[in-house]
Amino acid sequence: DVVMTQTPVSLPVSLGGQASISCRSSQSLVHSNGNTYLHWYLQKPGQSPQLLIYRVSNRFSGVPDRFSGSGSGTDFTLKISRVEPEDLGDYYCLQSTHFPPTFGAGTKLELK
Amino acid sequence: EVQLVESGGGLVKPGASLKLSCVASGFTFSDYWMSWVRQTPGKTMEWIGDIKYDGSYTNYAPSLKNRFTISRDNAKSTLYLQMSNVRSEDTATYYCTRERATRGVMDAWGQGASVTVSS
Repeated sequence: DVVMTQTPVSLPVSLGGQASISCRSSQSLVHSNGNTYLHWYLQKPGQSPQLLIYRVSNRFSGVPDRFSGSGSGTDFTLKISRVEPEDLGDYYCLQSTHFPPTFGAGTKLELK
Repeated sequence: EVQLVESGGGLVKPGASLKLSCVASGFTFSDYWMSWVRQTPGKTMEWIGDIKYDGSYTNYAPSLKNRFTISRDNAKSTLYLQMSNVRSEDTATYYCTRERATRGVMDAWGQGASVTVSS
């Protein structure tokens, strides 16, 4: 299985500040069809995960443009600008280029 | 409003079987691939498998394939996860999800069903 390594494990931030989460894969996530299936999810405290970003950089409906995804190959980043209280929680990357889909271990975004 | 509501979780003994259900509403259930994902108490997320919109095709994580079975009843807008020969490591919250066009892009999640495997 493809191993997804997320860093940092914990990320203290100040409200209004910026956060950056890294996700690295053990293999290239470029599919034979040319697409890259790397997605980001946020799990707010006490809630189910929710889709934020799909295929590296596409924001899901309703996701603020403070969230941006980038990267290629094996190295991906989720950036959150102007952090707001509702952004706090656990962030997970997920690859679905290779079977089976595999998640990163998560990054906890918390207040400094 | 899209809703997914899981049920059937609880405390089960090792070696037993358990069937989870997920009732969908707010969308045309038969138009979507559906999947199951679980999260351990330590917050590790694991994709379990998915099922085609008409129920004709299923995929499973290799590590779970022999014990877990996904099925659906489109007439009842219900997704199922049959778990057999459960082990302590199956203790987790099980989420029903809707796949958006592509495996791995899960745009709706249920509230989760908690399963604890213990003697």
